[in-house]
Amino acid sequence: QQPVQSPQAVILREGEDAVINCSSSKALYSVHWYRQKHGEAPVFLMILLKGGEQKGHEKISASFNEKKQQSSLYLTASQLSYSGTYFCGTDSTGAGSYQLTFGKGTKLSVIP
Amino acid sequence: SAVISQKPSRDICQRGTSLTIQCQVDSQVTMMFWYRQQPGQSLTLIATANQGSEATYESGFVIDKFPISRPNLTFSTLTVSNMSPEDSSIYLCSVAQGSEAFFGQGTRLTVV
Repeated sequence: QQPVQSPQAVILREGEDAVINCSSSKALYSVHWYRQKHGEAPVFLMILLKGGEQKGHEKISASFNEKKQQSSLYLTASQLSYSGTYFCGTDSTGAGSYQLTFGKGTKLSVIP
Repeated sequence: SAVISQKPSRDICQRGTSLTIQCQVDSQVTMMFWYRQQPGQSLTLIATANQGSEATYESGFVIDKFPISRPNLTFSTLTVSNMSPEDSSIYLCSVAQGSEAFFGQGTRLTVV
C-alpha cells in the first residue's frame, strides 16, 4: 500500500524550516527520500534503515520510527534550490530491496 | 554514483504500436528497476529486471504488455506493447548501487 505523505504542498520563504512526513500501514524495512525537480529525474537524498536511525545531509535530515512506521524529513534554513517535489519510498519486502512504493509527493516551493 | 542513460528521451506514438526504451548504466549493477510516473503523479514500480532470470512484475503489470530484457549487468530494455493513450506517461529506469538508488532521466511517452 502506498505510504501517505503530508503535507501535500508547502510554501516557504528562504531561511524557513519545513517538515515532511511519511507514514505507512505496513511494517517497513527502510525509507528512502527523493527530491524531483520539474522535468528532471528523482534525486536520491538518503535512506533510513530499520533501527530508528537518523541521518543528515547538510541542512536536510530525516528520522525513522519503525514502531510507528513513520519517517520525517527535516529541511532547515531552506534555500531556493530546495524547491521541488519530495517523495518517500518505502520498502516492506526486506533489507536491501529497492522495490519501493512511493508516496504521492510533497510539493515544496521556496520563495525569496 | 551511477550514470544512467535512457533512450529515447521522448516519443509520440500511434496507438496499437510498440516502443522499446533502453537503459544503459556506466557500471555493473545486479538489480535494475522500471518505474512509471504519470504526469504530476508518484512513481509506480512496474518490474524488477534481473540479469540471468526473468523479470519480476508488480501487481497490475504483465509481461505481455511490458516485456523486459536484461542481457547483461549494464543494460536493460522495457517495451510498451500495443499502446493506448492510457500508456502515456514517463518511464524511468532505476538502479541500486550500495546504499543509494539512482534514476535515469526518463522517457516521456505520448500515445495518440
